[in-house]
Amino acid sequence: KAGVTQTPRYLIKTRGQQVTLSCSPISGHRSVSWYQQTPGQGLQFLFEYFSETQRNKGNFPGRFSGRQFSNSRSEMNVSTLELGDSALYLCASSLGVGETDTQYFGPGTRLTVL
Amino acid sequence: AQSVTQLGSHVSVSEGALVLLRCNYSSSVPPYLFWYVQYPNQGLQLLLKYTSAATLVKGINGFEAEFKKSETSFHLTKPSAHMSDAAEYFCAVSDHEAGNNRKLIWGLGTSLAVNP
Repeated sequence: KAGVTQTPRYLIKTRGQQVTLSCSPISGHRSVSWYQQTPGQGLQFLFEYFSETQRNKGNFPGRFSGRQFSNSRSEMNVSTLELGDSALYLCASSLGVGETDTQYFGPGTRLTVL
Repeated sequence: AQSVTQLGSHVSVSEGALVLLRCNYSSSVPPYLFWYVQYPNQGLQLLLKYTSAATLVKGINGFEAEFKKSETSFHLTKPSAHMSDAAEYFCAVSDHEAGNNRKLIWGLGTSLAVNP
């Protein structure tokens, strides 16, 4: 079974631009979560989607948004990019939203904002 | 607020030596605890998780961790390090306090180096 895939793997953008990242979960998984990973802040939870609905949201500004499609694929959008948005963005999928459902991570999209 | 502290951002061991990676958490309620490993240019892989069953949890690749409530610790160990264990290790706790067990709070990670 194929793992979680994220596209693109690398992105370079300039301040003020917007960006869309894509995540395809493991087949059959209906939950997708997004995380931001930076050297200084570590991993921080962005949001979680299940059955096309956002279930949980972290403490990020409204410039960060996401959505999930009927096939469980998810996209994350960041508008008006800032230098501080440079990070590795990780997507994780799980079968459901049970408390102990294991989250499987993709390789991430590395975003560089110049 | 809940938090996770990983003591030692860098740990270096010799091949065949004991691996001990430390993780302490703060939580007012019994948490779920996780250890993940991240290899270069790869995503995170679950090593093991504690979900209020046995306090000694065995994971993949010979790793195990013990939940000690009195010490609020969940240290990761492996009896004998292998070169392939060199990676970044993350401890995480589920955010029970916010009523959001699906949201994980992460430590900053420990980079493990294994010397031949």
